[in-house]
Amino acid sequence: LAKTTQPISMDSYEGQEVNITCSHNNIATNDYITWYQQFPSQGPRFIIQGYKTKVTNEVASLFIPADRKSSTLSLPRVSLSDTAVYYCLVGVMDSSYKLIFGSGTRLLVRP
Amino acid sequence: DAGVTQSPTHLIKTRGQQVTLRCSPKSGHDTVSWYQQALGQGPQFIFQYYEEEERQRGNFPDRFSGHQFPNYSSELNVNALLLGDSALYLCASSILQGTNQPQHFGDGTRLSIL
Repeated sequence: LAKTTQPISMDSYEGQEVNITCSHNNIATNDYITWYQQFPSQGPRFIIQGYKTKVTNEVASLFIPADRKSSTLSLPRVSLSDTAVYYCLVGVMDSSYKLIFGSGTRLLVRP
Repeated sequence: DAGVTQSPTHLIKTRGQQVTLRCSPKSGHDTVSWYQQALGQGPQFIFQYYEEEERQRGNFPDRFSGHQFPNYSSELNVNALLLGDSALYLCASSILQGTNQPQHFGDGTRLSIL
């Protein structure tokens, strides 16, 4: 059974770097890994997407090892407004192709 | 540029009823996916529509069905509602199914079953 696993929660302080890892051992060969941020009563918001190695944009970096069985979202210098739930999304090959969200990581940023 | 819009925002139904939820994709997007998100859990993939056909489906019963219209908008229909169908239903759109373009989500329809 394909699973996509993340830590349930993480605590941090303003200004620190936060790294959230997602394990996805059944990722489909040609699929990208996408990370989303979700606030209560809102839909997920796109953060970053990558296929392998490292991707960086204006808000985050994404590190993907060569075997692509995991990925790490890196948020530099978090602020209080980064308190949210973070999800990875991958396509996996189980009995058929499926899009699967990770279990979600609840990040709390403290002053 | 309007993003993904969903209607209604909230809905209350009773067991056994039927419901239709609607989604307008982001401008320029042609692929629509639907997800169910129970309280405190991650979104679960229901199905994806492209060129007015269901292309991929998650582990949901046939009570869940959908439709995509020529203007790329979509509907999710759920028949014979159960208490367990209470959830936030999310619509996501993207460009060109199967090309790994990122999905953009609406803010969902909160469905409550009494």
